[in-house]
Amino acid sequence: EIVMTQSPATLSVSPGERATLSCRASQSVSSNLAWYQQKPGQAPRLLIYGASTRATGIPARFSGSGSGTEFTLTISSLQSEDFAVYYCQQYNNWPQTFGQGTKLEIK
Amino acid sequence: QVQLQESGPGLVKPSETLSLTCTVSGYSISSGYYWGWIRQPPGKGLEWIGSIYHSGSTYYNPSLKSRVTISVDTSKNQFSLKLSSVTAADTAVYYCARDPPGSGMDVWGKGTTVTVSS
Repeated sequence: EIVMTQSPATLSVSPGERATLSCRASQSVSSNLAWYQQKPGQAPRLLIYGASTRATGIPARFSGSGSGTEFTLTISSLQSEDFAVYYCQQYNNWPQTFGQGTKLEIK
Repeated sequence: QVQLQESGPGLVKPSETLSLTCTVSGYSISSGYYWGWIRQPPGKGLEWIGSIYHSGSTYYNPSLKSRVTISVDTSKNQFSLKLSSVTAADTAVYYCARDPPGSGMDVWGKGTTVTVSS
């Protein structure tokens, strides 16, 4: 099973600033990586798939990069609605696996 | 607009079988894609349980494989989850999701809370 490790566990950033979240895979997942946003009491929402393709309706301030084992989600100019928990997920191999999440909180 | 809705008992007794159904609207399951179940214990992260292809082929999380069965009923446009011999550790919010190949899980149900308790 591929282990996904996200860092940091918690990230404190001020509104309007940039946030950079990291995800590392224990072995190569090519570009078969997705990022999700989850707010309290809500289902996860797909933000990025294919490591760098924004899902339908996702604002351009969200961008993804990386391939192989190292991935990054960048949120430029944080808005109040962006403070949430973010998960990465690999779907290159079965079983699909999620990272443990990064909580993005207001500084 | 594609929508998914989970349904099933919110309370299950230890050692019994948890049964949930996901009803899909706005898209025909038989048209394709994988359809998955994911759970989230209180205060914890996401755990993939398993996925089923529209044709019926399945993939399960090895950690749950001995207790999980996922099935599909294309006539009702539904797919279902059964998890046997449940314990308190199976208490979680259970989500169903559409899982197109190569695209991540793009549509999710709102989730249903299942508590395992006597």
